[in-house]
Amino acid sequence: EVQLVQSGAEVKKPGESLKISCKGFGYTFTYYWIGWVRQMPGKGLEWMGIINPADSDTRYSPSFQGQVTLSVDKSISTAYLQWSGLKASDTAMYYCAGHQYSSGSRWFDPWGQGTLVTVSS
Amino acid sequence: QSVLTQPPSASGTPGQRVTISCSGSSSNIGSNTASWYQQLPGTAPKLLIYTNNQRPSGVPDRFSGSKSGTSASLAISGLQSEDEADYYCAAWDDSLSGWVFGGGTKLTVL
Repeated sequence: EVQLVQSGAEVKKPGESLKISCKGFGYTFTYYWIGWVRQMPGKGLEWMGIINPADSDTRYSPSFQGQVTLSVDKSISTAYLQWSGLKASDTAMYYCAGHQYSSGSRWFDPWGQGTLVTVSS
Repeated sequence: QSVLTQPPSASGTPGQRVTISCSGSSSNIGSNTASWYQQLPGTAPKLLIYTNNQRPSGVPDRFSGSKSGTSASLAISGLQSEDEADYYCAAWDDSLSGWVFGGGTKLTVL
């Protein structure tokens, strides 16, 4: 079964750094890009960026450029989302998702189960 | 304010047909395909429709999608209580070189 499995919930203080992960199972990890999506409490989905596991080519949403860093380690089929200085406003659920592309069409599938990040002093 | 516009809520009774709209522009839905995601309470989003009207295996044929111009629609027929969820549309935006999502529609089965 093709699936993305994310790391567990995190509780951090403002200013701390954090790296969460998304590991692919059941497929060749370099076959499609990985996307990251934020969902703040009670709010909708926001696209953060996508990364190509084959060569680490990355595209960021303007809203998240400079705020987070996407990376991959293809040797262990894992993508990462990283912060260097967390803020309380980073408190949210973060999802990774497979970014599929075929004949000009794009969609996200599968989705990870989500990683809840709580930033509080 | 989301780039794609969806109604914040929709409702129907069991067995009814409901439609959720998603309005975009020439740079997103107008020039790219739309996809739809279902998010059941407390769970991760799940792909419901891709390439405007294609259903992944396992998604009941009660769910259908369509696109016309710069808008897309999701229709759910034979509404069931387990369809109560949040529904999101999404599309690639050529101007932003990135993804845009709708604000989400909360579907209530009365």
